Amino acid sequence: GAVVSQHPSWVICKSGTSVKIECRSLDFQATTMFWYRQFPKQSLMLMATSNEGSKATYEQGVEKDKFLINHASLTLSTLTVTSAHPEDSSFYICSAKGQEFSYEQYFGPGTRLTVT
Amino acid sequence: GENVEQHPSTLSVQEGDSAVIKCTYSDSASNYFPWYKQELGKRPQLIIDIRSNVGEKKDQRIAVTLNKTAKHFSLHITETQPEDSAVYFCAASDRYSTLTFGKGTMLLVSP
Repeated sequence: GAVVSQHPSWVICKSGTSVKIECRSLDFQATTMFWYRQFPKQSLMLMATSNEGSKATYEQGVEKDKFLINHASLTLSTLTVTSAHPEDSSFYICSAKGQEFSYEQYFGPGTRLTVT
Repeated sequence: GENVEQHPSTLSVQEGDSAVIKCTYSDSASNYFPWYKQELGKRPQLIIDIRSNVGEKKDQRIAVTLNKTAKHFSLHITETQPEDSAVYFCAASDRYSTLTFGKGTMLLVSP
C-alpha cells in the first residue's frame, strides 16, 4: 500500500520558536496533502489542504501566517509552526492523496509537538 | 459544509460480543465513508470503507452498512477481541472534498 512518512515523530521546543514538520509520500505522487491537528481525546481537525505547486487552503479559524504550509513537490509537504506557544502543543498528522486514488487518503505517523 | 455525528462516544463489550458504532452525515453529496481505527499516539488506520453505490461491505469480522436515504452508516465488529480496543472514527467525503471526521468512539473489549 501507499506509504507516508513524517519527521520528526516528536519535538519539544521553547515558546516563541518555530518548528518545521515534514510529510513525505514514499511510493506515490501526492497531488494533494492534508494537515490535521488532534488534541488529546479529540477527533482529527483539518487545518489545511495543499495541492502541489499551489497555495494551501486553510480551514476557518486556522491562522495561515502562524501555520505555514509548503507543498513544493509531489512527494513533500511541510508545516511550519511559527512563534509556537504552549497552546499549539498537539499531535499533528498529515495525509496524502494521489491522482490514482479516487478517494483514499494515506496518513503519516504523526508528530507530537510539545511547546514549553 | 459536512457534519458527521458519531455515537456512542464510549463502548464497553465483553470479548466475543459484537460492537456497533453509528454515524450520521448531513451532506447528500458525500459518497465515500471510511472507518479508521486509531491506537494511542498512532496514525489512523483505514479498516474498511464504503462508497455510496453499495449498501453493505464485509471484511472478515468487520462490516459496514450504509443507508443513503437516511444518511447514516454503521460499523459492525463481530467476535470482538481485546486487540480491537482502540478509538474508532467514521468519516464522510465526496471525491473533491476533504474528510470530515466524527468525534470518535472509544471501544474497550474486556477479556
